[in-house]
Amino acid sequence: DAKTTQPPSMDCAEGRAANLPCNHSTISGNEYVYWYRQIHSQGPQYIIHGLKNNETNEMASLIITEDRKSSTLILPHATLRDTAVYYCIVRVSNTGNQFYFGTGTSLTVIP
Amino acid sequence: DGGITQSPKYLFRKEGQNVTLSCEQNLNHDAMYWYRQDPGQGLRLIYYSQIVNDFQKGDIAEGYSVSREKKESFPLTVTSAQKNPTAFYLCASSIGPFYEQYFGPGTRLTVT
Repeated sequence: DAKTTQPPSMDCAEGRAANLPCNHSTISGNEYVYWYRQIHSQGPQYIIHGLKNNETNEMASLIITEDRKSSTLILPHATLRDTAVYYCIVRVSNTGNQFYFGTGTSLTVIP
Repeated sequence: DGGITQSPKYLFRKEGQNVTLSCEQNLNHDAMYWYRQDPGQGLRLIYYSQIVNDFQKGDIAEGYSVSREKKESFPLTVTSAQKNPTAFYLCASSIGPFYEQYFGPGTRLTVT
């Protein structure tokens, strides 16, 4: 699975959009981009995933660049409850098994 | 209400004792997983099971054992052979091995 690079921490004002970047320059054509988040002392929560096209669900939007070497998770209107560690993971869909969680980005939403 | 439950939330044991962590899911998922998380670090895979009565070692299986007798249940035993058992243990499940995983709330084990 390709390696990802994320900033260690970010701040965002409450009510504003939070844009969390992820670099995955060695991504292969059959690797998906997944995003999870983990609120302190809880289990990770699945947010969204995509292959090539931008994706949106009730939680967030995922923007993947055309060359697929980077992506951005967008939380459109951040709330205090969005304060968490956000993990960007790339994984080949057909290898199954584990997700490699790195250290992620610690997002703090500021009132 | 569908989901994954882990119990207990906090567990304390003396060194040299085996301890079993519970993981139950009612999502009808075939695949289940156990991860370990240490402070400030990512998750590491201990064991996984893609189907009932079958399981495979992950990256750090030494000192741990599992069973998968029922689809809904995947208990993890931390044995006395595990040198550093104090950690946050997370159970996850997925429809199958190629799908996103959903996590339980975790069990924080402290061994003294």
